[in-house]
Amino acid sequence: DAGITQSPRHKVTETGTPVTLRCHQTENHRYMYWYRQDPGHGLRLIHYSYGVKDTDKGEVSDGYSVSRSKTEDFLLTLESATSSQTSVYFCAIRPLILAGGITDTQYFGPGTRLTVL
Amino acid sequence: GNSVTQMEGPVTLSEEAFLTINCTYTATGYPSLFWYVQYPGEGLQLLLKATKADDKGSNKGFEATYRKETTSFHLEKGSVQVSDSAVYFCALESRAGGGNKLTFGTGTQLKVEL
Repeated sequence: DAGITQSPRHKVTETGTPVTLRCHQTENHRYMYWYRQDPGHGLRLIHYSYGVKDTDKGEVSDGYSVSRSKTEDFLLTLESATSSQTSVYFCAIRPLILAGGITDTQYFGPGTRLTVL
Repeated sequence: GNSVTQMEGPVTLSEEAFLTINCTYTATGYPSLFWYVQYPGEGLQLLLKATKADDKGSNKGFEATYRKETTSFHLEKGSVQVSDSAVYFCALESRAGGGNKLTFGTGTQLKVEL
């Protein structure tokens, strides 16, 4: 258990409304990631963070923004939700190893199922 | 760019049958290769990994060997159980030009029946 929680776990919203998903971790990990999972696509990276206020885009970042004001929280925001953003969203962390390197293993949260009507 | 191709599912097997899930990849540099497993209603968990050619990853009776010559990392298990029913994802990470990010295959659903 990597101490990752996601909230909410389920959400139904309407097209055009803003939505924020929260990923919270308790072990002070520096690297955090947001993915979406869709049938036929596997998991695709939306955004990632390598420290407080340090974020970068993944392969499917259009329509999403992120913020990391504290080490423990990584927020994913859909400014104006669309039906194409109906998906399951996973947060992940990557632990550091001794001597400042990073491991090659990511640990995933339980996911948030978002439905945009 | 990097990509991972997995066999399509679902794969349905009887308990104690032999399992193979095929995975091939395209990558720049020398990637690390992974199998993740997702049980119903849960997030992904690392099942096994291999970081260089000819390495064999193993865990819980599952094995996969990093084959550079065929760019493959097929998952195998000699005798599956009902509890192995899950979705299996092959993934790679190449540090060449892409940073430390994972590229996933589309996933293969495994159903094991009594």
